[in-house]
Formats: sequence, C-alpha cells, structure tokens
Amino acid sequence: NAGVTQTPKFHILKTGQSMTLQCAQDMNHGYMSWYRQDPGMGLRLIYYSAAAGTTDKEVPNGYNVSRLNTEDFPLRLVSAAPSQTSVYLCASSYSNTTDTQYFGPGTRLTVL
Amino acid sequence: GENVEQHPSTLSVQEGDSAVIKCTYSDSASNYFPWYKQELGKRPQLIIDIRSNVGEKKDQRIAVTLNKTAKHFSLHITETQPEDSAVYFCAPFPGANNLFFGTGTRLTVIP
Repeated sequence: NAGVTQTPKFHILKTGQSMTLQCAQDMNHGYMSWYRQDPGMGLRLIYYSAAAGTTDKEVPNGYNVSRLNTEDFPLRLVSAAPSQTSVYLCASSYSNTTDTQYFGPGTRLTVL
Repeated sequence: GENVEQHPSTLSVQEGDSAVIKCTYSDSASNYFPWYKQELGKRPQLIIDIRSNVGEKKDQRIAVTLNKTAKHFSLHITETQPEDSAVYFCAPFPGANNLFFGTGTRLTVIP
C-alpha cells in the first residue's frame, strides 16, 4: 500500500490564482480530512469528509472540496491569498476521527 | 471549540533521562486523547492514545496518563534516545469529528 499520497510537494502561487491540491489513499478509508500546519500553530482542521459523496461541514472561505469517491479528496484554493501560505496535510482514517489518523507527506504552498 | 495548551513548548533532555509533556484541554466532553510525533521533515504519526475510561496506558518506553477531573493528559517517555527527538502534538477529541491539535512540543534528546 502507498498509504496517503499528496501532490505536489511544493508549489508557489501568485495572489488571485487558483490551484488544486491532490490527496489520495489506497487503504479504503472512509474518513478523510485536510489540515494546515503553520509554525507555532499546530495543525488546524480545514475540512473533513466522513464518507464518499458526503459533505459534512461548511467549507471555509477560500477553499473548495469534493469527495466523489473513496480514494480521492482534492482541496481547491479559489483565488489564493498570502494568508493561505502553509503546509497542507491530508489525513485518512478507517471510519471516524477516533481511529488512527494516517497523514500524507504534505504540500508546502507559498502564495506571493 | 476546544482550547488546548501544551507545556513545555521546548524540552531538552540528556539521553537516557525521562521526558514529560503535558496537555490541558477545556472541553469536558473530550473522550479520546491521542499523541502524535512528527520528526523533522516527516508526517505526523500516532504514537499512543487513550480513551476516557482508562487512566493510564503504556507501550514500551511510552506512556500516557489521563486526569479527566483536572482536564489534562500527559505523555511520558522513559530512557530517551536520540530518535525520540521530534515535535509532539496532543489532540483531544471533544466530538463533532474534530481533533483539536496542540501547538506542539519540540523535544531534543542530547546524546
């Protein structure tokens, strides 16, 4: 198993541009989530999906998510802002938050 | 939401000594208490967790203790080794599918 994979590893965007961060898992996990990690701030949840085809909470401004199938959980930045500069981590777990979270390697995103 | 504090923010110990990291939380509904380890340049990994019906859990050199009354839980590492050097995060779970991660503790084990 590859586990949780993320692409790209690094990316630089200009303010106002859009891009999609890719996340995939091959463990047949139902629960997937996106976090951002900033220095001194720990990990902050952006969004989660409890199962394919479901949307489970309000999507924060500046982001768009979709969960069309079990394996993929892309995160789209719509009109990027410098405040979105961060390391983005995708995670998956078997069925819910209290199962072991398996993290991807992260995408380091810089918005200029 | 949950207010989570970790102490200390940095910790240096000599190899072979013990290390203790404390996590305090605010939401009394929290019922799941994991600790994650993140080595430099790597992804966070679960190292130990505890549920609210248990007061202590051990796994070789690592242990977690829980005090639900005082709303804190602690990570204990004994006989520390250089490979224990990392950032450690607590992440209490109050429900609603949301783990609240602490700001992390950077542990350095000096050989």
